[in-house]
Amino acid sequence: SYELTQPPSVSVSPGQTASITCSGDKLGDKYACWYQLKPGQSPVLVIYQDHKRPSGIPERFSGSNSGNTATLTISGARAMDEADYYCRAWDSNTVIFGRGTKLTVL
Amino acid sequence: QVQLVESGGGVVQPGGSLRLSCAASGFTFSRYAVHWVRQAPGKGLDWVALVSFDGSNRYYADSVRGRFTISRDNSKRTLFLQMSSLKADDTAVYYCARDLEGRFDGMLDVWGRGTTVTVSS
Repeated sequence: SYELTQPPSVSVSPGQTASITCSGDKLGDKYACWYQLKPGQSPVLVIYQDHKRPSGIPERFSGSNSGNTATLTISGARAMDEADYYCRAWDSNTVIFGRGTKLTVL
Repeated sequence: QVQLVESGGGVVQPGGSLRLSCAASGFTFSRYAVHWVRQAPGKGLDWVALVSFDGSNRYYADSVRGRFTISRDNSKRTLFLQMSSLKADDTAVYYCARDLEGRFDGMLDVWGRGTTVTVSS
């Protein structure tokens, strides 16, 4: 079955750039998207179709996807961006989530 | 406003059954595919099932296939998840979520607040 691999954790200083990767076999041939999940809240779609931002998502969130790796980039990270981030792919009529990356802003 | 509201969670014994509902409002429910996604305590997101906008296509995660059934009633703007033969591993917060319009592949732009299912004796 298809698998997505994310680093368990990423740390970034406020105002700096954070990059979270998601790896899967030929992931670049599929659409990737990213979800933000904060404790006690519902997931929020922050990037879809590799690089598109839903309305209301700040411009500091961006995405790319090529080869075997999709990347979520948060430019000028803020304390409010501290959360778990999950990538997602679609394969064989199933939705696949990565195991999540905990982003710490400190 | 655009909203999904889940209900039906609770405590159930192993081997038991439960039916979750998700009421939609603020958008044309019948135009969107909808999903169930769960999060077990301390764990990540886990996709459960998907039904197409008209109910003609349904897909399931391997872990629930044969035990769970997803369905929808567009006239009542409601999504359902019938769960049977429940196991402790099914303990989780269950979210319903809407796919982007015209899509069918888990780009979920609207989520409910979730309903908690606990499987325990």
